[in-house]
Amino acid sequence: NAGVTQTPKFQVLKTGQSMTLQCAQDMNHEYMSWYRQDPGMGLRLIHYSVGAGITDQGEVPNGYNVSRSTTEDFPLRLLSAAPSQTSVYFCASSWSASNRAQHFGDGTRLSIL
Amino acid sequence: KQEVTQIPAALSVPEGENLVLNCSFTDSAIYNLQWFRQDPGKGLTSLLLIQSSQREQTSGRLNASLDKSSGRSTLYIAASQPGDSATYLCAVVKRANAGGTSYGKLTFGQGTILTVHP
Repeated sequence: NAGVTQTPKFQVLKTGQSMTLQCAQDMNHEYMSWYRQDPGMGLRLIHYSVGAGITDQGEVPNGYNVSRSTTEDFPLRLLSAAPSQTSVYFCASSWSASNRAQHFGDGTRLSIL
Repeated sequence: KQEVTQIPAALSVPEGENLVLNCSFTDSAIYNLQWFRQDPGKGLTSLLLIQSSQREQTSGRLNASLDKSSGRSTLYIAASQPGDSATYLCAVVKRANAGGTSYGKLTFGQGTILTVHP
């Protein structure tokens, strides 16, 4: 009964380093997305995917890349980490973007020094 | 631009009380509205989903209503328990424009921090 699994749970990076946040779901959901949660800013959409091979930008995509080679996995890549990317990152998935509930993982807490 | 507001920002009640959390949104062109619960340091747990054509949804002690025309939703929690203490978030998915804004994007309110004390 895994649902949406995110790894790692915590990470500390130095400015300029790159890394990949992993997200996997076992519900065969077509729609997946990444959000970041910041105090006072709430949750903001970074990137989303409506199916394998299809990705698009959300409202705060700069500094992040995504790919969707399989239905199950939707990794988020930080190209060159900046302190402004310190945040909690959540991955979500759903059968459909418009008429089904979206389910979230437990998050990755990322600090950039 | 869709904006979502939740009132109150924080609520503290004794165990056993019935309570109402409020959510309002500025653009009524939505696909659905979803209520979530977030415990400290944890992810979001989906509580209830209301489609734009629906008026309410119920799950156990929770009941959510939707008045799309007035841009409002309420989450009613019956017989509150200390285990209900958490942050409650509402979010809407706006209908995509012809120009194709972020499809499936959830626009969240800032949340209501609920504390139920024994």
